[in-house]
Amino acid sequence: SQQGEEDPQALSIQEGENATMNCSYKTSINNLQWYRQNSGRGLVHLILIRSNEREKHSGRLRVTLDTSKKSSSLLITASRAADTASYFCATDSKDTGNQFYFGTGTSLTVIP
Amino acid sequence: EAQVTQNPRYLITVTGKKLTVTCSQNMNHEYMSWYRQDPGLGLRQIYYSMNVEVTDKGDVPEGYKVSRKEKRNFPLILESPSPNQTSLYFCASSLQPVAGSYNEQFFGPGTRLTVL
Repeated sequence: SQQGEEDPQALSIQEGENATMNCSYKTSINNLQWYRQNSGRGLVHLILIRSNEREKHSGRLRVTLDTSKKSSSLLITASRAADTASYFCATDSKDTGNQFYFGTGTSLTVIP
Repeated sequence: EAQVTQNPRYLITVTGKKLTVTCSQNMNHEYMSWYRQDPGLGLRQIYYSMNVEVTDKGDVPEGYKVSRKEKRNFPLILESPSPNQTSLYFCASSLQPVAGSYNEQFFGPGTRLTVL
């Protein structure tokens, strides 16, 4: 399987702290995306970073990409209770054409 | 409102009874996809479609069929459901990938299927 993996599997922090989650993948990619999922609901796109980019910001989100290590990180700054959700990275693959691969997810709990 | 809709949202059925889960999007997206989500395994792609009449297998296509006769609809068919197909299913759509580079996917609300 070319599925990615997130690390840690679960993360619990206090409101106001920063949350960092990591994603590793296995193949050469065109882009990497991060999605958020509230319990049992559909996924919502957060941010996309292309393979020729190293860092991207969107509001309180900061994403980095290291294609040499096949890894990415998502940083959520000044976390809020409403950030409690599961976070997934997703990639395409230059090797397998138009398939799309999601990681196993990080479950984030932000304690008020 | 731009959205992806799925029906039904919940379904309990028995082994071997054919079922169809519908998916429709109103954003004129070319790319549509089905995923299943299981605990500890994340989302896995079942089938995807690049455009009308073009469908391809994802990572876990066994036991599923799809069709893409119209741009807006992408139904998932389970000809003979089995208990190992009990899962949470998501449909998603996006604009056509350009030069292999994907756009954000818009997800439906999910269909929770239980096969007894």
